[in-house]
Order: sequence, then C-alpha cells, then structure tokens
Amino acid sequence: GDSVTQMEGPVTLSEEAFLTINCTYTATGYPSLFWYVQYPGEGLQLLLKATKADDKGSNKGFEATYRKETTSFHLEKGSVQVSDSAVYFCALSNSWGKLQFGAGTQVVVTP
Amino acid sequence: DTEVTQTPKHLVMGMTNKKSLKCEQHMGHRAMYWYKQKAKKPPELMFVYSYEKLSINESVPSRFSPECPNSSLLNLHLHALQPEDSALYLCASSQELAKNIQYFGAGTRLSVL
Repeated sequence: GDSVTQMEGPVTLSEEAFLTINCTYTATGYPSLFWYVQYPGEGLQLLLKATKADDKGSNKGFEATYRKETTSFHLEKGSVQVSDSAVYFCALSNSWGKLQFGAGTQVVVTP
Repeated sequence: DTEVTQTPKHLVMGMTNKKSLKCEQHMGHRAMYWYKQKAKKPPELMFVYSYEKLSINESVPSRFSPECPNSSLLNLHLHALQPEDSALYLCASSQELAKNIQYFGAGTRLSVL
C-alpha cells in the first residue's frame, strides 16, 4: 500500500539556519504530494503541494520538488525563523482521495 | 476563502454522555472528511463523505456516528465514548474526492472522562 516516510524529529535549529526535512514515499500510480504544517494547538495548514514529477511547490520561503526517480519530496527553507517552530507532515494523495501522512517532524527554532 | 469552521473548540464529556461535533465550509466543496489525531501522531482518517454520501468508513467503532445533512455541513455524533477516544478531531474538505487539496479546520479537542 501507499506509505510516506519522513525523518524523525525533533529537529532543533538556530534562527537563520538552513532547514531540510527528508520525505520519501511509496505509491502506485502518480500521487499528488503535500507538505502540511501544524502549529501548537492548531489544525493542519497546507504549506505547499506538487501534482506531477519535477513540479516545485513553494510558499513562505519553503520549497519542495517532486522527484519521481528518487520518490522524494524533501522540504527546504534557507533561513528559518522562530515562528517556523511547528510540526511538519509530508503527505500523498492517491486516486481514491485518501491522504496518507508521514509520522511528522517537529521543528524547534531557537533565537 | 479557504475556511473550515469547527465547533466547539474544546469538549469535555463523560462516558455516558451524547455530544456532537460540527464542521462547516462554504467553499462549495463536495468532499468532507473526519480525522482523529492523538498527541504527537499524524491524523488518522475516520470517515469520508462525497456528495453527501458516506464514501469511506475506516472501520470506526459505532460509538462514532457521522452525518452530512447538506453539502456545507458535517457532524460527528458521539455516544458512550471511552477515555482512549480523547484526541483532537479534525474536519477537512476538498473540491472533489480524488487528489484535491484538503483544507483543515482548527479541530475540536475532546476529553472523555
């Protein structure tokens, strides 16, 4: 079945550091890929998406590229802020519309 | 506007109580979802409605009863819950069922005593 694997956290960074969160997937067909972010005490917010191979999703300084050859969708940000502290979920959506989430990666950014 | 509104934000109930969670969206979306999220875990899909008909039930116990009275509204009726049902319950909606972006509400944090 479909699955998503993302790096375990917590990831602790200083402000202005570079952030990478690895995400790989297993799926039949051609899933859509997403990154969602969950701030403490809140629901999930869509951060970015990509619907086909080589698509690059970007938002708020975050980027991720849909790599079919490596089945990956790694999240990157060049300079993190304290306000980026949150849990980040990689997810895929298959033809049935079901979202398959990774385990989530907690990111802690310190001043 | 990509807002999904959930009420109440917090709910405390006893094991013999009956309560309902409510979810509303006015984006014209035809697919709506209930998820359960335990602390430090990803959301787990419970139910999916497509065009107001139940499309997916992920083997959820019958003490959880979903209802979709119209295309904008989704309810989750709760009865005889157990303490282990305490969690954040998230509602989401998407334009259609397949491959579309799901937009999430802020959730209802449920505590069962």
